[in-house]
Amino acid sequence: EEQLVESGGGLVKPGGSLRLSCAAPGFSFSIYSMNWVRQAPGKGLEWVSFISSSSSTIYYADSVKGRFTVSRDNVKNSLYLQMNSLRAEDTAVYYCARDFYCSDTSCSVLWGQGTMVTVSS
Amino acid sequence: DIVMTQSPDSLAVSLGEGATINCKSSQSVLYSSNNKNYLAWYQQKPGQPPKVLIYWASIRESGVPDRFSGSGSGTDFTLSISSLQAEDVAVYYCQQYYSPPSTFGQGTTVEIK
Repeated sequence: EEQLVESGGGLVKPGGSLRLSCAAPGFSFSIYSMNWVRQAPGKGLEWVSFISSSSSTIYYADSVKGRFTVSRDNVKNSLYLQMNSLRAEDTAVYYCARDFYCSDTSCSVLWGQGTMVTVSS
Repeated sequence: DIVMTQSPDSLAVSLGEGATINCKSSQSVLYSSNNKNYLAWYQQKPGQPPKVLIYWASIRESGVPDRFSGSGSGTDFTLSISSLQAEDVAVYYCQQYYSPPSTFGQGTTVEIK
């Protein structure tokens, strides 16, 4: 079964660091681009970071640029988000999401269940 | 980045009535090579990840009730719910996947009147 399983969330103090992981069993992880998307409590979805299948293309939202680093390990079928210099406004559920993949006849997308990150003193 | 703007931010609809949500992109999400719009609609209920309802602007995901429909092309899109059911209470998002990064609308909350 295709799935994405996030881990690594928790409570961290402002200025601290956290590393999120996303395990991707059940499908050919190496061929897909991946995203991190977050959702602050009671707020909408905010795209955070994109990484292409080979890691050759990486994008970040302006709100996290210079503080967050996305990476992947196609041998371990895993996606990562290193979060440094955390701020209260980074408090959110962080979702790992497989980018849309379209054939001639259909598209598919896959989301994890999310992991909560709380930045508070 | 492509900016996605939804309207309204919220709406209250009586059970059995129709609901319409609009989404506008800052640039076209229509690929001329295959004439497909790279626009998706999601439904999100509290405590759950978003669930895709519609992709390519009008194609229902497998298992999605046919009361949900999507339309539009280029920069203007609509999600319609033909007869609102209690289980449709949720927040709905549009997302473009025409070019990375995939960006989302701000969300529309649908409630029962």
